[in-house]
Amino acid sequence: GAVVSQHPSWVICKSGTSVKIECRSLDFQATTMFWYRQFPKQSLMLMATSNEGSKATYEQGVEKDKFLINHASLTLSTLTVTSAHPEDSSFYICSASSWDSYEQYFGPGTRLTVT
Amino acid sequence: KQEVTQIPAALSVPEGENLVLNCSFTDSAIYNLQWFRQDPGKGLTSLLLIQSSQREQTSGRLNASLDKSSGRSTLYIAASQPGDSATYLCAGKKTSYDKVIFGPGTSLSVIP
Repeated sequence: GAVVSQHPSWVICKSGTSVKIECRSLDFQATTMFWYRQFPKQSLMLMATSNEGSKATYEQGVEKDKFLINHASLTLSTLTVTSAHPEDSSFYICSASSWDSYEQYFGPGTRLTVT
Repeated sequence: KQEVTQIPAALSVPEGENLVLNCSFTDSAIYNLQWFRQDPGKGLTSLLLIQSSQREQTSGRLNASLDKSSGRSTLYIAASQPGDSATYLCAGKKTSYDKVIFGPGTSLSVIP
């Protein structure tokens, strides 16, 4: 099956700093990538959808200026959490799909802790 | 707005039992439905994907069914093992272009 990787797998940063998370499709071209956030003991909530070469579409309630998403190539999307605060601490998961696939392939997730 | 519920929220069974997890969509217009497993602190593992034209999918001890008319899916786990302990999430979308909506999950504990 298709493989999606995320880097880093975990990161700790200080409040007020920015952190970038990478999502890569390793063996297929990802025309669409999705970013999810999961708080402890809760399900995944979609944050935004990005198509390669286009601006991301954000879900209601997600601050686009705080969560910057770039999908500049068919194998890489990045999520930058700007001016992070402790309440941004969460598990961030990306997924990717190609134009000819029914399925979304999920990355292993990145655990962000903001101190 | 499509919403997904999963019943039960938590389940504890002795090893060897067969069990059924349930998933319901408020809108029965389903393009496809996926079952995932998530271990604590880990990402998602895709278990089974059912297209709207299919009624069920099987993989080893797992069988997932989809009833489009009612917007319901079940995940059947046969002969449960302690290694099956995890949270099981169902997720689906209405069209090929739609976003995937996740259920809240069922936390399964299989007691040795």
